[in-house]
Amino acid sequence: GENVEQHPSTLSVQEGDSAVIKCTYSDSASNYFPWYKQELGKGPQLIIDIRSNVGEKKDQRIAVTLNKTAKHFSLHITETQPEDSAVYFCAASKGSSNTGKLIFGQGTTLQVKP
Amino acid sequence: NAGVTQTPKFRVLKTGQSMTLLCAQDMNHEYMYWYRQDPGMGLRLIHYSVGEGTTAKGEVPDGYNVSRLKKQNFLLGLESAAPSQTSVYFCASTNSGERQPQHFGDGTRLSIL
Repeated sequence: GENVEQHPSTLSVQEGDSAVIKCTYSDSASNYFPWYKQELGKGPQLIIDIRSNVGEKKDQRIAVTLNKTAKHFSLHITETQPEDSAVYFCAASKGSSNTGKLIFGQGTTLQVKP
Repeated sequence: NAGVTQTPKFRVLKTGQSMTLLCAQDMNHEYMYWYRQDPGMGLRLIHYSVGEGTTAKGEVPDGYNVSRLKKQNFLLGLESAAPSQTSVYFCASTNSGERQPQHFGDGTRLSIL
């Protein structure tokens, strides 16, 4: 079946450094790719998303890139801060069934050291 | 604006007991989803609904039932709880099935002894 692979599973960076999380997907019909941040004891919160008609999107310190040919998309966080520490999930839309279903990656635990 | 509200937040059950988890959204969203989250496995879809009165199976539906009698509510039932159903359960909603983000509640932490 369709799946999304996310790497790395854990990532530790120094405050001010950049962090990159990568995902690959298998469903060639996927056309929507959101990224979620989950803080301890909370539900996932959308931080940025990208649709298949664009290759890159940026929102302040966060950017996402998409390579549809390679079925690969990445989250880039620049100038990391301690409050960026959380679990990050990538997701890809499931085919073209118009059900809004998402397939999630396994998550990356990001630790930003002060 | 409350968004997506899940009740209860925590619950401990004994094997074989039943219970219902409630999800309520105040955004007039058509689509609603139930996920379970287990360590190292991301979010897995249990059941979903594309509108009032409709339900469909997701990736891991066994042992669960759902109902969507009102547009704003989506109920997840466990008829006979098993230890393998110990997990954190999340509800989400979205207003369209076409390339729109899902909005999540803060989860229900369920332990089954």
